[in-house]
Amino acid sequence: SAVISQKPSRDICQRGTSLTIQCQVDSQVTMMFWYRQQPGQSLTLIATANQGSEATYESGFVIDKFPISRPNLTFSTLTVSNMSPEDSSIYLCCLAGVSTDTQYFGPGTRLTVL
Amino acid sequence: EDKVVQSPLSLVVHEGDTVTLNCSYEVTNFRSLLWYKQEKKAPTFLFMLTSSGIEKKSGRLSSILDKKELFSILNITATQTGDSAVYLCAYSGGSNYKLTFGKGTLLTVNP
Repeated sequence: SAVISQKPSRDICQRGTSLTIQCQVDSQVTMMFWYRQQPGQSLTLIATANQGSEATYESGFVIDKFPISRPNLTFSTLTVSNMSPEDSSIYLCCLAGVSTDTQYFGPGTRLTVL
Repeated sequence: EDKVVQSPLSLVVHEGDTVTLNCSYEVTNFRSLLWYKQEKKAPTFLFMLTSSGIEKKSGRLSSILDKKELFSILNITATQTGDSAVYLCAYSGGSNYKLTFGKGTLLTVNP
């Protein structure tokens, strides 16, 4: 199975700043996703990262707040913009396996916003 | 609204015990049900179930789906302290392959 890496592993940021999270996969994958897990909550899909086109966002998430890039089939970035303490979460990139329903998660980025 | 309900929310057992975790779902366009183990940050894939009555097994873990009654169970036999984690259930449905997760069951296995 593919090896997924994420950078940074964790970060502590100040309110009002932005952070870009990188997700790298060691093989080409068709579908990549970004999820968020707020403290004490379960995982929620932010968006599907589409190669070469704009990401598809879920209800409640907008491009201005969570811009996503996917320049090729092995790499994607998620930016959390103009952060507030409510953005403190674990952010996870995820890719689909042979069966698209089987999704594998990266190691995650733990973000704390002060 | 589609949803996933897991029970119990938390469970404490002793090593060697057998546990059964439950997941019920209400969805309009079901394709598959998935189980994950989350220890720190990243959920680790355990099983994907699409057909009723067919047990999936991996070592001491097994899972089965009942599409008529809309639930799944995850069994862990001879539990070990390393099984301590949050176990997440999710369904996949619709056209965008989105996974919708339950809140999880926190399993603590004491020595």
